[in-house]
Amino acid sequence: NAGVTQTPKFQVLKTGQSMTLQCAQDMNHNSMYWYRQDPGMGLRLIYYSASEGTTDKGEVPNGYNVSRLNKREFSLRLESAAPSQTSVYFCASSEGTGTGYYEQYFGPGTRLTVT
Amino acid sequence: AQKVTQAQTEISVVEKEDVTLDCVYETRDTTYYLFWYKQPPSGELVFLIRRNSFDEQNEISGRYSWNFQKSTSSFNFTITASQVVDSAVYFCALSETSGANFGNEKLTFGTGTRLTIIP
Repeated sequence: NAGVTQTPKFQVLKTGQSMTLQCAQDMNHNSMYWYRQDPGMGLRLIYYSASEGTTDKGEVPNGYNVSRLNKREFSLRLESAAPSQTSVYFCASSEGTGTGYYEQYFGPGTRLTVT
Repeated sequence: AQKVTQAQTEISVVEKEDVTLDCVYETRDTTYYLFWYKQPPSGELVFLIRRNSFDEQNEISGRYSWNFQKSTSSFNFTITASQVVDSAVYFCALSETSGANFGNEKLTFGTGTRLTIIP
């Protein structure tokens, strides 16, 4: 099992450019998540998908959109990148039974720089 | 609203010393779960332990131990006889299961503690 995979691993964008971060999991998990990690701020939830067909905003959704393409894949799109979106982005998945019990499994992260 | 505080931003200890990482949480729920994750220099987050709100037994796994105290809303993590491989950023996280969070498994993370083990 590959677990949670993310592409690309590194990306440099110019202000105003757009891009999509891809995430896939092979654990048959229901729930998937996108986080950003910034120095001194821990991980902050951008968007999540509790189950296939649903998506909801997290703590910091502005400037982002998501698509739950199917049960395996959850993409994050930056429509018009800004320097404030320079960060490390993590995708995660979990069983998603709705009980809060199950741990999340994380991908390796994408380091994004916006100049 | 739920909140997780890790007041120790950075800790450095000499190898073989014991070290405790503090985690204090806030929640209005009676049912919740607490987690610890490790982020080594490679960057990937690794799940270490889960504790539910009804189980206050301390847990030990090798050199790692966790102390959960509901009375002080704390879930502290102790590494005994630290090793260089323990150098990492450690995150405490809280999952609530009722109210607005019912039906999903959102985690609220603390800001992390960077632990450096000096050889």
